[in-house]
Amino acid sequence: DGGITQSPKYLFRKEGQNVTLSCEQNLNHDAMYWYRQDPGQGLRLIYYSQIVNDFQKGDIAEGYSVSREKKESFPLTVTSAQKNPTAFYLCASSISLSRVNPQPQHFGDGTRLSIL
Amino acid sequence: KQEVTQIPAALSVPEGENLVLNCSFTDSAIYNLQWFRQDPGKGLTSLLLIQSSQREQTSGRLNASLDKSSGRSTLYIAASQPGDSATYLCAVPGTGAGSYQLTFGKGTKLSVIP
Repeated sequence: DGGITQSPKYLFRKEGQNVTLSCEQNLNHDAMYWYRQDPGQGLRLIYYSQIVNDFQKGDIAEGYSVSREKKESFPLTVTSAQKNPTAFYLCASSISLSRVNPQPQHFGDGTRLSIL
Repeated sequence: KQEVTQIPAALSVPEGENLVLNCSFTDSAIYNLQWFRQDPGKGLTSLLLIQSSQREQTSGRLNASLDKSSGRSTLYIAASQPGDSATYLCAVPGTGAGSYQLTFGKGTKLSVIP
């Protein structure tokens, strides 16, 4: 059964600590995305990746970093530089990153990050 | 910059009622529009995707329409059930260089009362 798996479901961060959120997909999709969702706001794009070893900043990349060493995996690190990290983080993927024919995005179940 | 608005922010209806959720967008040069459902504490589930060349898409009790020229889409839910209670989001790709980047509305929170 294909899909996107995010872990952990809940994560707590101490002051000055970096934490990494996992996102794995078995859909054979080339493109992957990270979004942040805050109460009462729409989803905002943090980073996206078109293909392995390539990624680009979205609207709110400051304080975050990503890597794309494997097609299936797109981990997100929330660094200590992100001063307001408490939010719900969603990972998504799509078949490709097409400008002419944007493909539907499929989402994982999210990770809720809180500050201790 | 594309902006997406969903009205109302919340809606409560009795079970069995037909209802319409609204989505409007400012830049009509979109390639498609996607409707999602989000249950509390969960990720997004894609419900319907309408290509810019289409006017309607149907899936079971759901029907989504798209009017690009007026910058509007509606999601019609027939014979609502308590299991339909969730937040419904619409999203459109950007235009030009950012066309892969989805812009989301803030959602409509639907409650269907048994």
